[in-house]
Amino acid sequence: GIQVEQSPPDLILQEGANSTLRCNFSDSVNNLQWFHQNPWGQLINLFYIPSGTKQNGRLSATTVATERYSLLYISSSQTTDSGVYFCAAQTGANNLFFGTGTRLTVIP
Amino acid sequence: DAGITQSPRYKITETGRQVTLMCHQTWSHSYMFWYRQDLGHGLRLIYYSAAADITDKGEVPDGYVVSRSKTENFPLTLESATRSQTSVYFCARRTDYGYTFGSGTRLTVV
Repeated sequence: GIQVEQSPPDLILQEGANSTLRCNFSDSVNNLQWFHQNPWGQLINLFYIPSGTKQNGRLSATTVATERYSLLYISSSQTTDSGVYFCAAQTGANNLFFGTGTRLTVIP
Repeated sequence: DAGITQSPRYKITETGRQVTLMCHQTWSHSYMFWYRQDLGHGLRLIYYSAAADITDKGEVPDGYVVSRSKTENFPLTLESATRSQTSVYFCARRTDYGYTFGSGTRLTVV
């Protein structure tokens, strides 16, 4: 299956800071998603973004499919942004392959 | 609301027992999936279903059975639970806007 690598593995931010999370994938994709797993374990779908750029409030994401990477931007971080951010990619077959995540801690 | 409900949220069972995890979706999206999440492995696909009565194996299917007699329901059964099946289980469905996940079931096998 497709390999999905995320960086950094851990990130600690002061509240109000900005950050960029990166996702590299090993093959062409027909689906690329970013999820936030909150401290209660819920997986929240942030973006469905196989290509292009999208924005949702303080979050935005860009996928450059030809170069096989995606970026998630978090601006003006808040403590509620804490959790694990997963990138997941699908290529053809019926499986969404997950990266190992970036654990974000936002401190007040 | 992701439109996908899992039950129970927490379950403790003994080694060797059969246990069934339930998954229900509102609407009738064709594709549904079961994943397990373990430290060090991330989320891995157990089984998926393309439609009622159509199921197929994922990466880690051993020890699990699924059925899908109705489009809305996709139960996952552990026929004889083992400690290695202690995990968090997520059900998902695929829509035109990607995958959405249920809240998960935390299963402990003692």
